[in-house]
Amino acid sequence: AQSVTQPDIHITVSEGASLELRCNYSYGATPYLFWYVQSPGQGLQLLLKYFSGDTLVQGIKGFEAEFKRSQSSFNLRKPSVHWSDAAEYFCAEKYDTGNQFYFGTGTSLTVIP
Amino acid sequence: DTEVTQTPKHLVMGMTNKKSLKCEQHMGHRAMYWYKQKAKKPPELMFVYSYEKLSINESVPSRFSPECPNSSLLNLHLHALQPEDSALYLCASSQDRLAGANSYNEQFFGPGTRLTVL
Repeated sequence: AQSVTQPDIHITVSEGASLELRCNYSYGATPYLFWYVQSPGQGLQLLLKYFSGDTLVQGIKGFEAEFKRSQSSFNLRKPSVHWSDAAEYFCAEKYDTGNQFYFGTGTSLTVIP
Repeated sequence: DTEVTQTPKHLVMGMTNKKSLKCEQHMGHRAMYWYKQKAKKPPELMFVYSYEKLSINESVPSRFSPECPNSSLLNLHLHALQPEDSALYLCASSQDRLAGANSYNEQFFGPGTRLTVL
């Protein structure tokens, strides 16, 4: 069964520090991978996506993610976190054989001054 | 226009009421989704429409009734809900998988309807 794992339920970082959020996806021949961010009471906003090509993808708000097939990982990174980055982050996977998306359990990010 | 709109933003209803949630997109997407989301949890898929036909129903109780009247609109009709149905209901759209192998098919989400059942 398809599954996406986000091992960290909650992460706290200081403003200006670097950030890495982990995501592991289940094996798939052609995984479509996404990172979404959700502020409280809001919908989900796409940060970045990967299907093929360069394994380091750039997204909005200064985020990037690296696809590593050997580790089945698609970790999200940001070199310097801002207080406005505090939110819930979801990794998601989709196969090219259907329309269904599979979300990880999410990582809640707290940013302290 | 890359926006998915949802109305109403907030809804409070009793267990005997009938209400509807509405979702609209004008991106030409032919796949549309309803999700239910509890606080601090990922979205739970409820229904998927592909080319205006229901393609996935994740064993959702019949008190939730989806409708896709055309390619831009998606409704969720609510009747005889329970307090545990209180949640954020999210609508999303994407290109259908048949759009092409090079299409990312990412989902665009609406802001959600915050539903409270008393």
